[in-house]
Amino acid sequence: SQQGEEDPQALSIQEGENATMNCSYKTSINNLQWYRQNSGRGLVHLILIRSNEREKHSGRLRVTLDTSKKSSSLLITASRAADTASYFCATDARGNTGKLIFGQGTTLQVKP
Amino acid sequence: DGGITQSPKYLFRKEGQNVTLSCEQNLNHDAMYWYRQDPGQGLRLIYYSQIVNDFQKGDIAEGYSVSREKKESFPLTVTSAQKNPTAFYLCATQSGGPGTGELFFGEGSRLTVL
Repeated sequence: SQQGEEDPQALSIQEGENATMNCSYKTSINNLQWYRQNSGRGLVHLILIRSNEREKHSGRLRVTLDTSKKSSSLLITASRAADTASYFCATDARGNTGKLIFGQGTTLQVKP
Repeated sequence: DGGITQSPKYLFRKEGQNVTLSCEQNLNHDAMYWYRQDPGQGLRLIYYSQIVNDFQKGDIAEGYSVSREKKESFPLTVTSAQKNPTAFYLCATQSGGPGTGELFFGEGSRLTVL
């Protein structure tokens, strides 16, 4: 079952611009996480936001969570060519024994 | 180095053959997971284990088998019963108990059926 769904599926921007990706989910969650995947590589954890948090920052990353709308957004500010990757949200649904359910991802291309 | 090692990185299999993908970790994490990723898609959970000698089916367990005899190791066998095994397979570990932490991923194993 697909819990998180990212939007847009693909995003292309110029270096220096901001990139915003959205994630919607269906059931109540313990937390929501964002991961990054470079082509052909494993995923790398970026940030975790708990259900009782509304916003979290980490460097150039800003994540928001709106549990009433069951949605989250990931903002990357001042993007760099090295940010080119796929970004996935993953939800830890309540009562789901800790399994993370991943969305299909947003592919971000940052042009130099 | 601490981390998760998946091997082999690339694997080719003839139809009808079983293959085993290795996942070893030295992070001392209790929970381990296997995910499958198809091109342009997200990750789908195959099996997971939260403790030695115990594992649970994920969303797409049919045609796969696992074992968890040691904390460090969680091998995945892709059996001949898996009708469409060509995919990228990712192993992950998790610190803490359910719902507590991030996943740490290996670099993946790409399986191609000839």
